[in-house]
Amino acid sequence: GNSVTQMEGPVTLSEEAFLTINCTYTATGYPSLFWYVQYPGEGLQLLLKATKADDKGSNKGFEATYRKETTSFHLEKGSVQVSDSAVYFCALSDSSGGSNYKLTFGKGTLLTVNP
Amino acid sequence: EAQVTQNPRYLITVTGKKLTVTCSQNMNHEYMSWYRQDPGLGLRQIYYSMNVEVTDKGDVPEGYKVSRKEKRNFPLILESPSPNQTSLYFCASSFSWTSGETQYFGPGTRLLVL
Repeated sequence: GNSVTQMEGPVTLSEEAFLTINCTYTATGYPSLFWYVQYPGEGLQLLLKATKADDKGSNKGFEATYRKETTSFHLEKGSVQVSDSAVYFCALSDSSGGSNYKLTFGKGTLLTVNP
Repeated sequence: EAQVTQNPRYLITVTGKKLTVTCSQNMNHEYMSWYRQDPGLGLRQIYYSMNVEVTDKGDVPEGYKVSRKEKRNFPLILESPSPNQTSLYFCASSFSWTSGETQYFGPGTRLLVL
């Protein structure tokens, strides 16, 4: 079955530091890959996505590249802000035969950015 | 405003007392689903619906029921809640189910079963 493994937190950084959150996946078909973000007390919202190999998703200064050869989709940001403090989830969806119609999530990584 | 709404946002109840968590979307989405979020486990799918009157089990359906009588609504029913159903619940929807489709999530319902 499908699975997502992401770097477990918590991760604590100072403002303007570089961020990497690692994510690797296992999938039987040709998945699409997502990063969702959950701010305190809120639901999940899409941060970025990539639907095929070598695609780069980007949004709000975050980016991630779909690497089929390493089955990875690492999230990066060059300079984090206090407002980036949240829980980040890597996820995949795979609508090729036999899969449940769902997102498969990693366990989430709590990021705290200090001023 | 396009959104997914859930009610209630917070609920404390006792074992065995039937409850319903409502979910509604105003985006004319065909696909809807329910997830629960537990510490260290991430989000796990409970049930999903591909369209009106079409529902199916996700990974953790035990103890839950759903219905999809209208396109916009997808209530989650706990007929006899137990403490192990204490969790944070999210409803999600999308236009259809395709691999790259973005899911839109509700704000969550935090449930405590005593």
